[in-house]
Amino acid sequence: QQQVKQSPQSLIVQKGGISIINCAYENTAFDYFPWYQQFPGKGPALLIAIRPDVSEKKEGRFTISFNKSAKQFSLHIMDSQPGDSATYFCAASRDDKIIFGKGTRLHILP
Amino acid sequence: GAGVSQTPSNKVTEKGKYVELRCDPISGHTALYWYRQSLGQGPEFLIYFQGTGAADDSGLPNDRFFAVRPEGSVSTLKIQRTERGDSAVYLCASSLSRGRYEQYFGPGTRLTVT
Repeated sequence: QQQVKQSPQSLIVQKGGISIINCAYENTAFDYFPWYQQFPGKGPALLIAIRPDVSEKKEGRFTISFNKSAKQFSLHIMDSQPGDSATYFCAASRDDKIIFGKGTRLHILP
Repeated sequence: GAGVSQTPSNKVTEKGKYVELRCDPISGHTALYWYRQSLGQGPEFLIYFQGTGAADDSGLPNDRFFAVRPEGSVSTLKIQRTERGDSAVYLCASSLSRGRYEQYFGPGTRLTVT
């Protein structure tokens, strides 16, 4: 059973556009929801994270929107840049164990 | 400061052989995690340590996999009788302590079993 479902699998966005990646989770016991960015040949890097008592968190061009009742959350990348081209993973955590989604390969057209 | 380091960066081994993968966490981080990432997938939890003890090893796929952290810093993931299905990138992460959810990942060790 896939505990964290992520979509789309791949995404192409024009430079300056908004990139949106969606995730859904099953276990209501999760209490921490991070997003990771991964470049080829590198380990995942923490981008932004949210806890379920908050509906939105913004850091620079990156925003997480969180809907606790729907068990869904999303990442919005504003003014997307070619340097944002990477694979993005949503995740959910409880008791120090992180469960990752399958990833979204994002490509920003120059 | 230095991040999480992993050695070797690449390891090619023959089916049936034994391998050891090493992780050096960020200095001062007491929690250490191992994940496995197959091609095109997200990282999959294997085991985590708080200090020297394995706090949760529920992700280890079978008894061929074992990990140690004898002095509470460096950790070694050990795989016995390797199989082709073990081929993946093995990632290590550390965090300041248990309950501090910000996990910082190393670059990984790419294991190929031929």
